[in-house]
Amino acid sequence: NAGVTQTPKFRVLKTGQSMTLLCAQDMNHEYMYWYRQDPGMGLRLIHYSVGEGTTAKGEVPDGYNVSRLKKQNFLLGLESAAPSQTSVYFCASTEVGGTDTQYFGPGTRLTVL
Amino acid sequence: GQQLNQSPQSMFIQEGEDVSMNCTSSSIFNTWLWYKQDPGEGPVLLIALYKAGELTSNGRLTAQFGITRKDSFLNISASIPSDVGIYFCAGQLRWRGSTLGRLYFGRGTQLTVWP
Repeated sequence: NAGVTQTPKFRVLKTGQSMTLLCAQDMNHEYMYWYRQDPGMGLRLIHYSVGEGTTAKGEVPDGYNVSRLKKQNFLLGLESAAPSQTSVYFCASTEVGGTDTQYFGPGTRLTVL
Repeated sequence: GQQLNQSPQSMFIQEGEDVSMNCTSSSIFNTWLWYKQDPGEGPVLLIALYKAGELTSNGRLTAQFGITRKDSFLNISASIPSDVGIYFCAGQLRWRGSTLGRLYFGRGTQLTVWP
């Protein structure tokens, strides 16, 4: 079991460029989430998904899009990157019911110049 | 969105000392969680609390779910160097038995332990 994996681990973009972050989980979890972590801000929810083919907005969704075409994958897209999107991005997943423990990936550090 | 106030922001302690940190919210939560984040890693769940007044231990860690459901604290006893990291509280809402899973995080407490 790899748990939750994220690719890439690091990326540097220029303003206006686009990119997609990939999150994959092998635990057959229904729910998946994308967070961003900024210094002194804790983690803030960008978008989440409660199942394949469904997505919903979190606290800070502007400038991001997501897709959940397969249950095990959750993609986060930046169509036109801005310096304000420089952050560390974490993906998480959880199964429905039970303790609802969220398992986090190792993070992607993104810098937008 | 929900506002969680976590304090202190940072702590510098000597190995062997006890540590206490807390989290307060402007809203009620059904579940309180405490996570630890090591440098370069994602947060890892330490303790989950599901009932008001609940006191739960995990080794040297003890956490409590406040009676008002608007606060929680985490204690670490006899700290060791590997306790270094950022500790986050998180609140979670449940509706009709389902959480929707959304977590609201505090801003974290950076813990440094001197040998």
